[in-house]
Amino acid sequence: DVQMTQSPSSLSASVGDRVTISCRASQTINHYLNWFQQKPGKAPKLLIYATSNVQSGVPSRFSGSGSGTDFSLTISSLQAEDFATYYCQQTYSTPRSFGQGTRVDIK
Amino acid sequence: QVQLQESGPGLVKPSETLSLTCTVSGGSISSHYWSWIRQPPGKGLEWIGYMYYRGSANYNPSLKSRVTISLDTSRNQFSLKLTSVTGADTAVYYCAREMYHDVSIGSTLDYWGQGVLVTVSS
Repeated sequence: DVQMTQSPSSLSASVGDRVTISCRASQTINHYLNWFQQKPGKAPKLLIYATSNVQSGVPSRFSGSGSGTDFSLTISSLQAEDFATYYCQQTYSTPRSFGQGTRVDIK
Repeated sequence: QVQLQESGPGLVKPSETLSLTCTVSGGSISSHYWSWIRQPPGKGLEWIGYMYYRGSANYNPSLKSRVTISLDTSRNQFSLKLTSVTGADTAVYYCAREMYHDVSIGSTLDYWGQGVLVTVSS
């Protein structure tokens, strides 16, 4: 089974900051890595698919990169509505697996 | 616009069976993969499994002995059954659609239900 590890587990940032979240897979997953945003009491929302493709309707300040085992999600200029928890997920193999999440809150 | 809605008891007794249904509107379940994911309070997401519309299922090995996912194409619904529940099964349960695009993209969980909290307690 593929284990996904995110870092950091949480971070504090200010509006306008550039934020990067990392995700590492325990084995190669090619580019089959998706990112989700989850706000309290809501279902996760797909942000990025296949490592670097921005889902329709998602602001362009979100971007993704990586390959193999190391991936990252970057928010170029953090906005108030971006304070949330972010999860990576691999779809290279089953069982599907998620990272443990990275909580982004206000400094 | 595809929409998913979970339904089922919010309280289940220990050792009993948790049963949830997901009703899909705005699209047919006769395509794609139909998934269940759960999230214990204050914790992360755990993939439970999915059923492919052609009838093959894939489950998380950690739950495989207790879980069954099935489709009802006549009602455009799919369901989750989890047997012998304990307090560790208390969670928000989400149903979701996993769509396979192609080899360059892979799969995405693109539509989710709002989630339903199931508490296991006597």
